[in-house]
Amino acid sequence: DVKVTQSSRYLVKRTGEKVFLECVQDMDHENMFWYRQDPGLGLRLIYFSYDVKMKEKGDIPEGYSVSREKKERFSLILESASTNQTSMYLCASTGERSAKNQPQHFGDGTRLSIL
Amino acid sequence: GQSLEQPSEVTAVEGAIVQINCTYQTSGFYGLSWYQQHDGGAPTFLSYNALDGLEETGRFSSFLSRSDSYGYLLLQELQMKDSASYFCAVSFPGSYQLTFGKGTKLSVIP
Repeated sequence: DVKVTQSSRYLVKRTGEKVFLECVQDMDHENMFWYRQDPGLGLRLIYFSYDVKMKEKGDIPEGYSVSREKKERFSLILESASTNQTSMYLCASTGERSAKNQPQHFGDGTRLSIL
Repeated sequence: GQSLEQPSEVTAVEGAIVQINCTYQTSGFYGLSWYQQHDGGAPTFLSYNALDGLEETGRFSSFLSRSDSYGYLLLQELQMKDSASYFCAVSFPGSYQLTFGKGTKLSVIP
């Protein structure tokens, strides 16, 4: 069965800290995605990766970076955390180069609070 | 731009039928998908319409009309466990991304 695992369900960090959110998938998928989800705003794409060491900006990349050193792992990095980055972060993956009709498989999410 | 519009909240009675609409201001997309998300949980894929018409999967059906820029998710024989948020989403040629609507929170009441 498809499995996308995010390293933490809940995380509390302080303003200015460098924060790492980890995501691992066990399906040998090429494409991986990071979203943030906020009430009333739905899911917004931060970054995605279609191959190892490849990355593309999504709709809201400011304040974030990503790393994809291995196919199964996609990391989201908050370079200097700010309170407006308090949110639910969702990782997802798909198995083909186009999202044509491939469902995205999501992790359970990390609820991040920046104090 | 790419915009998907959904009602923010819908309430329906257990055992009834409910329709969640998704209208869009975009064109040239591959198809329309629907995802379900329970509170505190991960979004899970429900259905995909590549072509106009109705797709049925058990109690859930999804419909797409490109000429009307409109789609919907139909839930029949509602159960309490169907209380969740439902998102429509589209993908575009040459893109790896999905664009999501803001979601509809469905509350099923006894």
